[in-house]
Amino acid sequence: SQKIEQNSEALNIQEGKTATLTCNYTNYSPAYLQWYRQDPGRGPVFLLLIRENEKEKRKERLKVTFDTTLKQSLFHITASQPADSATYLCALCNQAGTALIFGKGTTLSVSS
Amino acid sequence: DSGVTQTPKHLITATGQRVTLRCSPRSGDLSVYWYQQSLDQGLQFLIHYYNGEERAKGNILERFSAQQFPDLHSELNLSSLELGDSALYFCASSARPQGSGEKLFFGSGTQLSVL
Repeated sequence: SQKIEQNSEALNIQEGKTATLTCNYTNYSPAYLQWYRQDPGRGPVFLLLIRENEKEKRKERLKVTFDTTLKQSLFHITASQPADSATYLCALCNQAGTALIFGKGTTLSVSS
Repeated sequence: DSGVTQTPKHLITATGQRVTLRCSPRSGDLSVYWYQQSLDQGLQFLIHYYNGEERAKGNILERFSAQQFPDLHSELNLSSLELGDSALYFCASSARPQGSGEKLFFGSGTQLSVL
């Protein structure tokens, strides 16, 4: 079955630096990948979607890449701020195209 | 505010009991998804309904069931509750089913505590 791995449970960086989060997947070739942000006690919030024919997508300080050969997506936050501290989840559509499957997430802490 | 409403926000009950969680999707959304989130398992997909019909099942236990009503709200029924069912249960909605890159809008969740 398909497997999604976000290789860091936690990432601590200083304000102003670039945070890079990794999402790897196996046993599947998704047509797209999504990233969500989740704050404690709240539901995930959609950030970005990248399709298999797109190498890179940007939105303000966020950048996502999608390497279908490596089966990996990288999520970057540039000029990070303490307000960026949250858990970031990557998600893929399952092979049947009927549901979004999530990784366990990476908790980012940005210190001032 | 995502536009997805979940009630109740908190639920405390005892083992062996049955509870019902309710979800109202965003206006116009036909798809409703249920997820369970615990610290060790992350966000686990349970079930998906589209316009009243079940579309997909994930890791949903036989003790759990769901339905989507004609007004598109959905209910998740959890019975014979066990301590391990304690978790945050999320409902999410989208306009159409997955497959074309639909983003999900999540409610704020129901925190279930089984004592």
